[in-house]
Amino acid sequence: DSGVTQTPKHLITATGQRVTLRCSPRSGDLSVYWYQQSLDQGLQFLIQYYNGEERAKGNILERFSAQQFPDLHSELNLSSLELGDSALYFCASSHSGRTDTQYFGPGTRLTVL
Amino acid sequence: QQQVKQSPQSLIVQKGGISIINCAYENTAFDYFPWYQQFPGKGPALLIAIRPDVSEKKEGRFTISFNKSAKQFSLHIMDSQPGDSATYFCAANNQAGTALIFGKGTTLSVSS
Repeated sequence: DSGVTQTPKHLITATGQRVTLRCSPRSGDLSVYWYQQSLDQGLQFLIQYYNGEERAKGNILERFSAQQFPDLHSELNLSSLELGDSALYFCASSHSGRTDTQYFGPGTRLTVL
Repeated sequence: QQQVKQSPQSLIVQKGGISIINCAYENTAFDYFPWYQQFPGKGPALLIAIRPDVSEKKEGRFTISFNKSAKQFSLHIMDSQPGDSATYFCAANNQAGTALIFGKGTTLSVSS
């Protein structure tokens, strides 16, 4: 158990809908990262937050947004969902905002029908 | 220049054998190279990591070999066991030192 929690574990929804994925980092970790894992693209970095502020952006679509709250939990919002958004979404956390060990949560499997 | 190329895509090894997975990168600014292990239905878990100031790091049956001049690094799993059957990802940190850039993964099957 990495200490990173993600909810829900599974999510099934329809095209055009909006969903919110939630992540709680390990105790003491200030940085949260979101990654998308699909069969064809592998693990792709989406966005990072450090202590409530956006730190870095990767291949995140404009339809997707995230935030980190004062208690350091983070939410990833996915809107106008398309079939191609079906994937595993992982949250990871680390203590600092720089290079150190990232601990991954168990993921949320999103299926868009 | 941001890519990390991993090979092979899949690997079958006999129990007790050595599993070798290779990765190559182009960006010389990368300075942190972790390997992650992922079991089906689970998140990736850090296995071992290396920085470019050393050429080798060993933890139990797992060894990273790092060749800075060739911009390559590899994972060796000695005495491979069926419980090692998983997907392995190499990664490198990006220039800002934040997000990890992952290879495509290697699915390892250790046959008993």
